[in-house]
Amino acid sequence: GAGVSQSPRYKVAKRGQDVALRCDPISGHVSLFWYQQALGQGPEFLTYFQNEAQLDKSGLPSDRFFAERPEGSVSTLKIQRTQQEDSAVYLCASSSGQRNTEAFFGQGTRLTVV
Amino acid sequence: AQRVTQPEKLLSVFKGAPVELKCNYSYSGSPELFWYVQYSRQRLQLLLRHISRESIKGFTADLNKGETSFHLKKPFAQEEDSAMYYCALSDPGSYIPTFGRGTSLIVHP
Repeated sequence: GAGVSQSPRYKVAKRGQDVALRCDPISGHVSLFWYQQALGQGPEFLTYFQNEAQLDKSGLPSDRFFAERPEGSVSTLKIQRTQQEDSAVYLCASSSGQRNTEAFFGQGTRLTVV
Repeated sequence: AQRVTQPEKLLSVFKGAPVELKCNYSYSGSPELFWYVQYSRQRLQLLLRHISRESIKGFTADLNKGETSFHLKKPFAQEEDSAMYYCALSDPGSYIPTFGRGTSLIVHP
């Protein structure tokens, strides 16, 4: 594809609702990252996949957050029982997984919890 | 733990003025450092990386290991440089980029 694709672009969820955010990385990219970006802040790391293996999930803020990449390509970030503090832009990035290589970002999903 | 600090939230200059966006990092080892840029309504994208020692759109950045800094510089700012700039550090082991909070650069005509 042309680049990293995320869907939906915008999501409004009622407090307590579950949401699923999708990321289609660049074909062949081994590494996939999820970030959370609050208003006026930089991207904060959530989790990292190398192929289908989730190698680092230290940034997930609570056990309500869950990510998967079952076949080593498309990834889904799921947030259960959403709360207002979950409102943010969720960014997905992919890279070839080599040294000094850049991360290619999607447009992000803006989640608003009301 | 690795950390990236961008002390200025906003930098406002006039066209033709020099620009320096500051970035300091903390990392025990040899980090990989990058500058990313986000123009209005566009996605975050790479501007330059320290290993390449390149100049992109007139911007350069020098890694100073003694001061643990990687400041971004441009001698003559242009209006089209107005954007959010993020300094990022990658752990050479995991390649996970850690970002600073960003600096908003506004270049006035």
